[in-house]
Amino acid sequence: RKEVEQDPGPFNVPEGATVAFNCTYSNSASQSFFWYRQDCRKEPKLLMSVYSSGNEDGRFTAQLNRASQYISLLIRDSKLSDSATYLCVVFNQAGTALIFGKGTTLSVSS
Amino acid sequence: GAVVSQHPSWVICKSGTSVKIECRSLDFQATTMFWYRQFPKQSLMLMATSNEGSKATYEQGVEKDKFLINHASLTLSTLTVTSAHPEDSSFYICSAREREGGSEQFFGPGTRLTVL
Repeated sequence: RKEVEQDPGPFNVPEGATVAFNCTYSNSASQSFFWYRQDCRKEPKLLMSVYSSGNEDGRFTAQLNRASQYISLLIRDSKLSDSATYLCVVFNQAGTALIFGKGTTLSVSS
Repeated sequence: GAVVSQHPSWVICKSGTSVKIECRSLDFQATTMFWYRQFPKQSLMLMATSNEGSKATYEQGVEKDKFLINHASLTLSTLTVTSAHPEDSSFYICSAREREGGSEQFFGPGTRLTVL
């Protein structure tokens, strides 16, 4: 099992749609989880951290299910500017470096 | 927020030459820097972890003699791709962690290397 696996995508949605991405991780001891956003040919940028209690930032909601080793990202009221690749990220087993998923590409159209 | 720069942004070189990429933390001190590589439509793959003043820790499958890492100061780490070949063409991204034990990493803009 890969350390971090994500929905294959791509997701093509109209503006205003709600879209959800899923991610599973293999290391049950992982403590820190993140969603990053990466635009084409750019560096990844932190979108939000994922906490055990779940967290919300505007139109974005992240959830963590430790029992299932599953992380999700929900985007409500999609905007054109949300078009990007969303990367699920967890700390490696040693807790020293980030492990990235392959990413899920989102394309929002008008 | 913390800013990380990379230089150069892109480089094209002939096969067999060596290329040095610099990663700098501009407004903070980074005891740890990370080097990643990303091939098209693939995830970022961690190559090595660089700690200031000590030898880098390489991930499995990454040749330390080919990818030389130097982290001589708290604001600068360099990656040298020695004797580059076309298969080394990739997007190289560094990141820096602001403080010991901190989880957030700040990424540089990346360097696109093309080896002819």
